[in-house]
Amino acid sequence: KAGVTQTPRYLIKTRGQQVTLSCSPISGHRSVSWYQQTPGQGLQFLFEYFSETQRNKGNFPGRFSGRQFSNSRSEMNVSTLELGDSALYLCASSPGGTAGTQYFGPGTRLLVL
Amino acid sequence: QQQVKQSPQSLIVQKGGIPIINCAYENTAFDYFPWYQQFPGKGPALLIAIRPDVSEKKEGRFTISFNKSAKQFSLHIMDSQPGDSATYFCAASKSGNTPLVFGKGTRLSVIA
Repeated sequence: KAGVTQTPRYLIKTRGQQVTLSCSPISGHRSVSWYQQTPGQGLQFLFEYFSETQRNKGNFPGRFSGRQFSNSRSEMNVSTLELGDSALYLCASSPGGTAGTQYFGPGTRLLVL
Repeated sequence: QQQVKQSPQSLIVQKGGIPIINCAYENTAFDYFPWYQQFPGKGPALLIAIRPDVSEKKEGRFTISFNKSAKQFSLHIMDSQPGDSATYFCAASKSGNTPLVFGKGTRLSVIA
């Protein structure tokens, strides 16, 4: 089976812009979670989608949003980018829920200038 | 409030040594404790996981020790190799489709 894929791999944006990141989970996986990884804060949970519904949400501002499509592919959007949004954004999929093995993609590295 | 505290932040060991990474958690409802390994430019990959009904689990050269009363768990890497050089994350979650809470990671360097 193909692993979790994320596009794009690298992105440079300027403050105030918005960005959309994409994640394709492993075939058959219905849960997709998003994490932000930074050197200072480590891996922080953003949100989880299961069967097109947001099931869990982390402690991030409303500028961070996401959605999941009927084929389980997911997108996350960050509006009004701030310098502090520079990070590696990781997507993880799992067959059912989050309390089990999660399979991570390679991430999208976002740099906000 | 950091729910999973991981130490040390970084670790350097000689080839063949046994690095030990420790994690402590606060939420007694946690019942799933995985360790992830991350190489530069890659996403984290599950290494080994344990549930609180056992005190130790071994997979190859990797062993998790779990102390429920102390709310601590640790990763031991036997006969460490330069290829084990990576960042290791512990995590915890509770049943019922709740998110993983990660420690801040330990950067391990194994030198020949």
